[in-house]
Amino acid sequence: IQLTQSPSSLSASVGDRVTITCRASQGINNFLAWYQQKPGKAPVLLIYAASILQSGVPPRFSGSRSGTDFTLTISSLQPEDFAGYYCQQLQSYPLTFGGGTKVEIK
Amino acid sequence: EVQLVESGGDLVQPGGSLRLSCAASGFSVTNYYMTWVRQAPGKGLEWVSIIYTGDNTFYADSVRGRFSISRDNSENTLYLQMNSLRPEDTAVYYCAKREHNGYYLSWGQGTLVTVSS
Repeated sequence: IQLTQSPSSLSASVGDRVTITCRASQGINNFLAWYQQKPGKAPVLLIYAASILQSGVPPRFSGSRSGTDFTLTISSLQPEDFAGYYCQQLQSYPLTFGGGTKVEIK
Repeated sequence: EVQLVESGGDLVQPGGSLRLSCAASGFSVTNYYMTWVRQAPGKGLEWVSIIYTGDNTFYADSVRGRFSISRDNSENTLYLQMNSLRPEDTAVYYCAKREHNGYYLSWGQGTLVTVSS
């Protein structure tokens, strides 16, 4: 199953609303996770089952699904949110990740 | 507190072998599916392998037949035996614990494998 993540990078300002999309090549039900990764660090789970916020993650992060399209939204970008973001499907093996989105400061 | 600590990364020549370790604490590797994920320098994440509690294993096509995942319950440690290494295997290798809901909350800090002559 291929995951096409877009955009590959974006520039935004603090306070902006940011949307990242992940499109699956076939149905994966809700078996999708979103991760944040900062340079030199391991990924951090933000969202699982497409829309469930992991405990401890700020509520400005949210996830949604429409068919095979999945969206990660940051409602009001904060300085600590400048990082890389990845989607991952867990429907079937091999587990796959999207290509990633780098969120940079404008 | 759950903790995962990888070790064993090194510089190795093409065709060589290496064994990575992932020492777990705060839980028993016997009771959870455990996985390896890698990240080439400046690139995205790539799933490598998983071992089930019942010892079933699965591999990415890119490593099947060359890599082997295992665990030592007495040492509470996960392993990745890597043989016939290629330059494209150069990456930071992370181990991760799959929660019972199917998702990966706990990750190690990673260990760097460099395959180069």
